[in-house]
Amino acid sequence: QLHLQESGPGLVKPSETLSLTCNVSGGSITASSFFWGWVRQAPGKGLEWIGSVYHSGRTNYNPSLQSRVTVSADTSHNQFSLSLRSVTAADTAVYYCTRVFSGYYFDLWGPGSMVTVSA
Amino acid sequence: DVQMTQSPSTLAASVGDRVTITCRASENINSWVAWYQQKPGKAPKLLLHQASRLESGVPSRFSGSGSGTEFTLTISSLQPEDFATYSCQQYHGASRTFGQGTKVEIK
Repeated sequence: QLHLQESGPGLVKPSETLSLTCNVSGGSITASSFFWGWVRQAPGKGLEWIGSVYHSGRTNYNPSLQSRVTVSADTSHNQFSLSLRSVTAADTAVYYCTRVFSGYYFDLWGPGSMVTVSA
Repeated sequence: DVQMTQSPSTLAASVGDRVTITCRASENINSWVAWYQQKPGKAPKLLLHQASRLESGVPSRFSGSGSGTEFTLTISSLQPEDFATYSCQQYHGASRTFGQGTKVEIK
């Protein structure tokens, strides 16, 4: 059974870079038909898609975040990562890593990782 | 970007009630809609995709309908474990956007 688990710092300073990794177990990120993505949820707010990556390196980003985001895949370690630059308090959220069926909808989710942006 | 507007934002209902949640898209998105259930402190769970296709293991009391710009999620007989927040998501074109969520509370 496929399992996703986020890891990374829970506290990031303003203007710095938020970096998270999602470790995938029980299956390979090179499986066809699946992208791998990140979704976040600010406290008390709705869900926001950040971006997705295919194992080949092909990416797709939310236009509102595209200038600050990189999502990448590491097939040798069966994991994928998120980098969000120049963070502000508005980036404080629970960050979820997800499997994205054909790049369309999010069919498996990690438990989530709370990241707070604060000095 | 396609905007998804959900209504209502909160809904109070009793066990056994029929519940309907609506999502409206800002443009025609055919049937490219998914629905999720989220309980407090937990990750969302996929319920349906392509507007009406039920995910494996999801109870048949959940159903979805719609195409174009208006979509509905219906719970035919609300159960205690169904009190949660429900969100729609569109996947037309390159971008992915969610509705703001509908919280189903106990009346």
